[in-house]
Amino acid sequence: NAGVTQTPKFQVLKTGQSMTLQCAQDMNHNSMYWYRQDPGMGLRLIYYSASEGTTDKGEVPNGYNVSRLNKREFSLRLESAAPSQTSVYFCAHGTVSNQPQHFGDGTRLSIL
Amino acid sequence: DQQVKQNSPSLSVQEGRISILNCDYTNSMFDYFLWYKKYPAEGPTFLISISSIKDKNEDGRFTVFLNKSAKHLSLHIVPSQPGDSAVYFCAAIQRRSARQLTFGSGTQLTVLP
Repeated sequence: NAGVTQTPKFQVLKTGQSMTLQCAQDMNHNSMYWYRQDPGMGLRLIYYSASEGTTDKGEVPNGYNVSRLNKREFSLRLESAAPSQTSVYFCAHGTVSNQPQHFGDGTRLSIL
Repeated sequence: DQQVKQNSPSLSVQEGRISILNCDYTNSMFDYFLWYKKYPAEGPTFLISISSIKDKNEDGRFTVFLNKSAKHLSLHIVPSQPGDSAVYFCAAIQRRSARQLTFGSGTQLTVLP
């Protein structure tokens, strides 16, 4: 979807397990983002990266870490998964006045 | 406290007619607004935006209107097509001091053939 590939598409974890969500874009954009979407709520920013090697916290960063090792890839890591992290996770890239333009198809994550 | 509200979870419109999706906000410091469209099992895609210095922005069949005094924006789709059936999110930001967008909860638009 719009040059963004997210893997996996679905995942079930047990509480306390760790997991890395992968995101890759093929449009050479500097900006990349990780969002989560919960039922009845809008998307909320977890972390963003303005360029390769830089990352900044968003609205809901607790319990997550990110890595932007190169321009193309931006990964999101849950070190010790909690049921409150059950959500749909979207990676995004590109910029419209410094805001995300294209989102991936999402990773549906359930934590039991 | 939801700073961006889309009070209608769903809207049904006949093909060819106008669709009007509404969004209200409470933070008067927001100065940039965006609309995103989301199909099932896909991520949102940017649709159209408007700066607070304008009251209207048009892109083909899509027009966004901004009423700053009422803290209200709306997305008009004319004419509506079945392919427009999707969830529409509005989002807002105060660009000078914030990084992240504040999203509404979305409105499901169904265009009936």
